[in-house]
Amino acid sequence: TQLLEQSPQFLSIQEGENLTVYCNSSSVFSSLQWYRQEPGEGPVLLVTVVTGGEVKKLKRLTFQFGDARKDSSLHITAAQTGDTGLYLCAGYKAAGNKLTFGGGTRVLVKP
Amino acid sequence: SAVISQKPSRDICQRGTSLTIQCQVDSQVTMMFWYRQQPGQSLTLIATANQGSEATYESGFVIDKFPISRPNLTFSTLTVSNMSPEDSSIYLCSAGNRGYPGEQYFGPGTRLTVT
Repeated sequence: TQLLEQSPQFLSIQEGENLTVYCNSSSVFSSLQWYRQEPGEGPVLLVTVVTGGEVKKLKRLTFQFGDARKDSSLHITAAQTGDTGLYLCAGYKAAGNKLTFGGGTRVLVKP
Repeated sequence: SAVISQKPSRDICQRGTSLTIQCQVDSQVTMMFWYRQQPGQSLTLIATANQGSEATYESGFVIDKFPISRPNLTFSTLTVSNMSPEDSSIYLCSAGNRGYPGEQYFGPGTRLTVT
C-alpha cells in the first residue's frame, strides 16, 4: 500500500499547456519534497516544503503544501519539452529518518 | 547539497554471480541509502547504510542477499548476491544529513541486467 498516492500516473500534453500533479496521503509529514528524474539519471531535488499552506515558486513551477501537511501539488505553467520526466513526491517523518516516495507521475511534453 | 557518484553505471551479469556497486559522496554526510527502481517507476528503499555498524534493512530485503558496507562518512557499497533475472533493475544510492527536513541527493544509478 502506497502511503503517498500520486495522480495522475501519466500525463501527456502539448508544449505551452499547463499541468498539475497531485500527491496525497492520510499521514502527516514534517516536510515534503519534489524530485524530477530523467531517463538514465538519478532523481534531482526540485523543492522542499515544510509549512502547512506553504507555496513555493521555481520559475514556471509552483509547489503547494496542504494546510494539514498531508498533501501537495505541483503546477507547471506553459510546459516546455524540457519539463518531460518522472516527477516524484516524497514525505519525510522524523521517526525512522527516511523518505516515503509516491508512485511517480510520468510527464511527457510534446513539441 | 552533495554530489554523488556511482560505479559501475551499468552492467550485464550472469545469474548466480554477484555484483558490488560503489557510491561516493563529495562531502561528509550522516545518512546514506540504497534504493531499487524499475524503469519509469518509483523508488523502493532497500536499506539505510550505517557508518561503522550493520545496515538497517527494509521489509523484504535481507543482508545475505544485499550486503552493504559503509566504512566512512563518504563511501558505501551494495552487493547484489547470487543474482537472478528478477534482480534486473536500477540501483540508486542517495545521501543526506540526519534529521529535518530529510532532503536526499541521488547518484546517477547503476542499471543492472541479469541474464
